[in-house]
Amino acid sequence: AQSVTQLDSQVPVFEEAPVELRCNYSSSVSVYLFWYVQYPNQGLQLLLKYLSGSTLVESINGFEAEFNKSQTSFHLRKPSVHISDTAEYFCAVSDMVTGGGNKLTFGTGTQLKVEL
Amino acid sequence: DAGVTQSPTHLIKTRGQQVTLRCSPISGHKSVSWYQQVLGQGPQFIFQYYEKEERGRGNFPDRFSARQFPNYSSELNVNALLLGDSALYLCASSPTGNYGYTFGSGTRLTVV
Repeated sequence: AQSVTQLDSQVPVFEEAPVELRCNYSSSVSVYLFWYVQYPNQGLQLLLKYLSGSTLVESINGFEAEFNKSQTSFHLRKPSVHISDTAEYFCAVSDMVTGGGNKLTFGTGTQLKVEL
Repeated sequence: DAGVTQSPTHLIKTRGQQVTLRCSPISGHKSVSWYQQVLGQGPQFIFQYYEKEERGRGNFPDRFSARQFPNYSSELNVNALLLGDSALYLCASSPTGNYGYTFGSGTRLTVV
């Protein structure tokens, strides 16, 4: 069984400030890791993913996340946030079992609120 | 290219009724998964189908059922609706069901 912990339910930050959203996971097998973003009244959009290789992954809009296996973490960071980054962010894991049966296990989400 | 489409976008049902939600995956995607997102929480896995076979089931009662059709579209059925079934129901598709999930915008179900 897998679990995901997002320690912060809400993170307020001023525009142009840096931000880190924390994510820790628990799993007995190797996992894939994901960050999804959800804007109000919308579905989930994939922000970035770690499948293998370099432990630092980046998105096209300036977010990055680093896979730390020893600390079982996958924290999301952005050096300078914008008002448009205000949204709910979900960390998720999926095990590496092949065969088409991989479910996503989500954390409870972190509401990022960017203020002027 | 069309993304994952879900219908209807919103609906209101009465306790005890039955509901059917529909999902059309991205063209070429053979796997469809269903998730329930209660307000203020993360999505919870309900079902996954791959090549029309059930490949995974979450911790939901038997009132929840689903199927996948030959064109890879899918339906989620919920019988004997309870107030607690009120949620956003999300469908996700992927080429193989291993990773690379793309989510639809969801169906907002309200049970009164």
